[in-house]
Order: sequence, then structure tokens, then C-alpha cells
Amino acid sequence: SAVISQKPSRDICQRGTSLTIQCQVDSQVTMMFWYRQQPGQSLTLIATANQGSEATYESGFVIDKFPISRPNLTFSTLTVSNMSPEDSSIYLCSVEGDSGGQPQHFGDGTRLSIL
Amino acid sequence: QKEVEQNSGPLSVPEGAIASLNCTYSDRGSQSFFWYRQYSGKSPELIMFIYSNGDKEDGRFTAQLNKASQYVSLLIRDSQPSDSATYLCAVRGTGNQFYFGTGTSLTVIP
Repeated sequence: SAVISQKPSRDICQRGTSLTIQCQVDSQVTMMFWYRQQPGQSLTLIATANQGSEATYESGFVIDKFPISRPNLTFSTLTVSNMSPEDSSIYLCSVEGDSGGQPQHFGDGTRLSIL
Repeated sequence: QKEVEQNSGPLSVPEGAIASLNCTYSDRGSQSFFWYRQYSGKSPELIMFIYSNGDKEDGRFTAQLNKASQYVSLLIRDSQPSDSATYLCAVRGTGNQFYFGTGTSLTVIP
């Protein structure tokens, strides 16, 4: 499976600031995904990022708050904008193989705390 | 109705016992089913996948799929304390979207 590197692994930020999370994959993949996992909860999909097109956001998530870039087939960024304590969470990127029915594989995640 | 349902637990089993984790899904046309293990503070790790009805074994893990009942399970034989984690069931629906359950917390007691 692909090796997925996510940076930073953790950060503590002040409210009102923004943080960009990077996700690098060691192979080319069409689809990359960004998830949020709040304490004690399961995964919530924020958006799907395909290279060459605008990210597709899930209900409850908007581009102004979570802008995403996907400049090539091995890299994506997620920005958490104008952060509030409610944004404290683990943010995860994942990729899946281009063949049908493939599983998703996750990066190590970014643990974000907002003061 | 949630797309994927799991008993949140916690499930506790003694060391050496069989742990049984269950999952139901709502999309009858789903074709791909996955089990992930997530240790506290870590990201989910794929441990099993199954596409066909029946059992699929990998070491101490067995995934079972019954599409007629829309039911997936994971059996862990000879449970070890290192198996203590949250287990997430995931299903790929007919629209190709991935759905995760809320996870079942497993504790293996030495």
C-alpha cells in the first residue's frame, strides 16, 4: 500500500489563526480524502480532492473554512481557517487505489488543539 | 438510518478468548467491506477486507460476510492485550462512497 506522510503531526494554535496540513503520497493516486475525527468519535469526511478539479465538500463543510489544494497526483493540503476551539480534532488524509473496490489507507494524522 | 452500524462497546474479553465484532450496513448493493484497527492516538490501519460471501482468514483474524443479511463480522482468535483498540467497519456503497461505522472499542484483559 501507499506510504502517506502527513505534516505537522500535531500543533497547538491560537483561535482566529489558520493552519495548513500537508499530505504527501509516495505514488500517484487519483483520489485523496480529508477526514476529521473528534475525540471519541468516528471519522467524518470533510472533502474529496481529485487532481485537476475543485474539491467536493460534504454537508456541513465549506471551502471558506477548509480550503483544499491538489496540485498534483501525490500531494494535497487542507487549511483549517479562522480556527476556534471546536476545530480541535485529529485531521486525517487518506488515499485509495485507482482500481475499483480498493480500501483507503491513512496518513498518521494531525492532532490539532486550539486555545 | 446510518449507512454502517456497529455496537460501540466497550467489548471486553479475556486473553486467549475469541473476540467477535459485528457490523451491519444499509446499502444492499455494497460490494467491498473493510475492517480497520485504530489504537488510541493513532490513525486507522487496514487489517482485513472481504468482497465475497463467506469467511476470509488471515492469521488470527477472520472476516465473515453475509450479503443477504447485510452483515459483516470480524473474529479475533487467541486475543492478545495488543489487540486492545477500536475496530472500525467500513463499507463501499454503490455510489463508490466509503462509509465508516462509529467503531467498537475492544479491551483484552490479561
